[in-house]
Amino acid sequence: GNSVTQMEGPVTLSEEAFLTINCTYTATGYPSLFWYVQYPGEGLQLLLKATKADDKGSNKGFEATYRKETTSFHLEKGSVQVSDSAVYFCARGPFNQGGKLIFGQGTELSVKP
Amino acid sequence: GAVVSQHPSWVICKSGTSVKIECRSLDFQATTMFWYRQFPKQSLMLMATSNEGSKATYEQGVEKDKFLINHASLTLSTLTVTSAHPEDSSFYICSASLRYETYEQYFGPGTRLTVT
Repeated sequence: GNSVTQMEGPVTLSEEAFLTINCTYTATGYPSLFWYVQYPGEGLQLLLKATKADDKGSNKGFEATYRKETTSFHLEKGSVQVSDSAVYFCARGPFNQGGKLIFGQGTELSVKP
Repeated sequence: GAVVSQHPSWVICKSGTSVKIECRSLDFQATTMFWYRQFPKQSLMLMATSNEGSKATYEQGVEKDKFLINHASLTLSTLTVTSAHPEDSSFYICSASLRYETYEQYFGPGTRLTVT
């Protein structure tokens, strides 16, 4: 099937801690992969993306590497800040024009000072 | 670039009335727009895919007569919730794909609908 699975939240960390949010996908091909972030009361913002195997997406200190062999796209950040508190969604891109994104269930991150 | 707006950002309406939500791509042409619904602390649920100039494709279980979608131009799609009921209260988010880059979606800020 086609699905995206994320680690369950909420994840609570202290400021400057290391963050990993796991994401795995199933697909019959090699889709683009995305991480979106949603701050409270807002829509989704694209955080980073990778379009092919071994690509590393990065933005604002966050990184994720497209691992074809493990069908994973784990999100990492070396030192989180309170302002990183949000819900993070992993998504698998469509295979065709105008196709659907497939979202994971979202992982809530709470960073304490 | 690639900014998507929604209007209104929040709306309260009475049960039985209809409410229209607009989704606009401000600086690009969007051949495809998507409408999602999100319940508190849950993921996004795709409601329908809207292509400019044609009828929307609804996901299974979404009532097309209840959630009317119109995509009249390359920069505007509207979602009308007809005869709204309290269970329609939710956060509605739209997204749009660029005309020639359809593998990425740009999201609007969402519309909070409360039906009393």
